[in-house]
Amino acid sequence: DAGITQSPRHKVTETGTPVTLRCHQTENHRYMYWYRQDPGHGLRLIHYSYGVKDTDKGEVSDGYSVSRSKTEDFLLTLESATSSQTSVYFCAIRPGQNTDTQYFGPGTRLTVL
Amino acid sequence: GENVEQHPSTLSVQEGDSAVIKCTYSDSASNYFPWYKQELGKRPQLIIDIRSNVGEKKDQRIAVTLNKTAKHFSLHITETQPEDSAVYFCAASSNDYKLSFGAGTTVTVRA
Repeated sequence: DAGITQSPRHKVTETGTPVTLRCHQTENHRYMYWYRQDPGHGLRLIHYSYGVKDTDKGEVSDGYSVSRSKTEDFLLTLESATSSQTSVYFCAIRPGQNTDTQYFGPGTRLTVL
Repeated sequence: GENVEQHPSTLSVQEGDSAVIKCTYSDSASNYFPWYKQELGKRPQLIIDIRSNVGEKKDQRIAVTLNKTAKHFSLHITETQPEDSAVYFCAASSNDYKLSFGAGTTVTVRA
């Protein structure tokens, strides 16, 4: 499982509330990614990080922010959750600078009512 | 950005038959093409990948082929078994290492 955990695994929240999802890895990987998975869309990249305090936007970054203050943790924040952000969120790591492969965490199912 | 299209969206095969899933991509700079398998409620798991300097790669019952000229790649599963039932995703990335995924194919293997 590449030493990746995500928390919480399930969350139900209400529209307008802030939500933070955590991705934690134990193997000191530099590269981390957040994706969302929705039916008919596969997985879409939200944000990614290439080191502590180094992050960049992906394909669907509107409404999301990220932070990486420690190598092992990559946080995804929904500042004001909307129903359109109901999804399954996956974190992934890429083991090395010259490695293409990404390995996924177990996912967080988020429901925004 | 990269656009990856995947077909078919659903595929039902008899156990023992072969399954083929096809993907096309738009960015000629793409050079890495992984395939992931996702069982219900689980994380996507890498099953095979191919790079643009290789035309075909095989691992036991699964194989991937790549046609760079036509910008398409395919996953082939032979001698399908019930445990092959899952959703399969293709993806593509270039030197920016950002994966773009297809929409997925739900494969059902009938006993």
